[in-house]
Parts: sequence; structure tokens; C-alpha cells
Amino acid sequence: AQSVAQPEDQVNVAEGNPLTVKCTYSVSGNPYLFWYVQYPNRGLQFLLKYITGDNLVKGSYGFEAEFNKSQTSFHLKKPSALVSDSALYFCAVRDIWGRDDKIIFGKGTRLHILP
Amino acid sequence: NAGVTQTPKFRVLKTGQSMTLLCAQDMNHEYMYWYRQDPGMGLRLIHYSVGEGTTAKGEVPDGYNVSRLKKQNFLLGLESAAPSQTSVYFCASSYEALGGTEAFFGQGTRLTVV
Repeated sequence: AQSVAQPEDQVNVAEGNPLTVKCTYSVSGNPYLFWYVQYPNRGLQFLLKYITGDNLVKGSYGFEAEFNKSQTSFHLKKPSALVSDSALYFCAVRDIWGRDDKIIFGKGTRLHILP
Repeated sequence: NAGVTQTPKFRVLKTGQSMTLLCAQDMNHEYMYWYRQDPGMGLRLIHYSVGEGTTAKGEVPDGYNVSRLKKQNFLLGLESAAPSQTSVYFCASSYEALGGTEAFFGQGTRLTVV
């Protein structure tokens, strides 16, 4: 089965510094990878996805993610963090088994941006 | 511009009681999903539907039932609530299979079973 791992439960970054939220994946075949963000007391919002093509994927709110096949990673990045980026971030991977086609979420990483 | 709406937003149940959570989407999406979110465990898929009149089991279906009688609505039922079902429940919908496109999520239902 496909899976993703988010090795950090929490990441703290000072406002204005670059941020990275890590994700590694384990899939058979070509991976479809996603990042979602959850702000307090809200549902998840889609940030970006990688299916094929350029290894650097650009998404919403200035976020981007880098797909690295050799390291099986799909880290989320932003050049300059904002306090409003503080939220819970989920990496996810497509899982196809027969007629089932769904995504599996990681456990989430809480990002704190310090003013 | 409602998107995905979940009702109720909060509920407290006694062990053994039953309830139904309603999810409604106005985007004409074929696919709908119910997830539960627990601390440190991410989101886990309970049941999903690939179209009106269809349902399928997800990762953690035990203790839950679902129905999709109308395309825009997806109901999640708890027949006999247990404390282990204390969680935040999210409904989501998508135009095509979730693995190939983005999902739109509701704001969640916080359920406490005492």
C-alpha cells in the first residue's frame, strides 16, 4: 500500500525566514502527491499537487514543493514565512487498488511561525 | 458560494445513542467522502461514494453507515455511539476520484461521546 511519512510533529520558524515541511513517500509506480493545509477550526484546503512534469510545483499562498525521486521526498517550502502560515500541514499520496482510488494522508505537521 | 456544508458543527452524545451527520455540496461533484481526524493520526477514511446511490468502505468503517440517496448529500450514521468515536469528522467532495484531483472539505463536526 502507498504511504507518506511526515517526520516532524512540529516545526518552528521565525517570520521572514524560509520554511520547509518534510514529507517522504513510499509508492509502487509513479506517485501522485498532494499538500493540504488546515487552519484552526477549519477543514482542509488544497495547496498543490504533483502528478508529472517539473519537479518544482507551485501552489497557493506562495507555497511550492520539490519532488525528489531519488530521495522519495516531497517537501513543502516557502521562501519567506508569514505568521498567517501557522497551521497544520498534511502531505498525501494517491492510493489505487482495483476500483478504489483515494488518497492517504500523513499524520500532519504543525507549523508555528514566530513573530 | 457554500461549497461543502456539514451539520451539525458540534454534538455531544451519550454512549449507545444514535445520530446522523449531514454533508451537502453544491458543486455537482460525483465523489464524496467521510473522514475522521484524531490527534497524531491524521485523517482516516471512513466511507466514500463515487456517485448517487453508491457507497464503499474506507479504512475505518466499523460502527458507521452511510447513504447517498441524492447526489448532493452524503449522510454518515452512528447507530450506537461509543467513546472511541469521539473525533472530528470531515466531509469532502471532488469532481473526479480523489487521487487525481483536489478535494473540497467542510468545516468539520466535533463529536464527543460520553
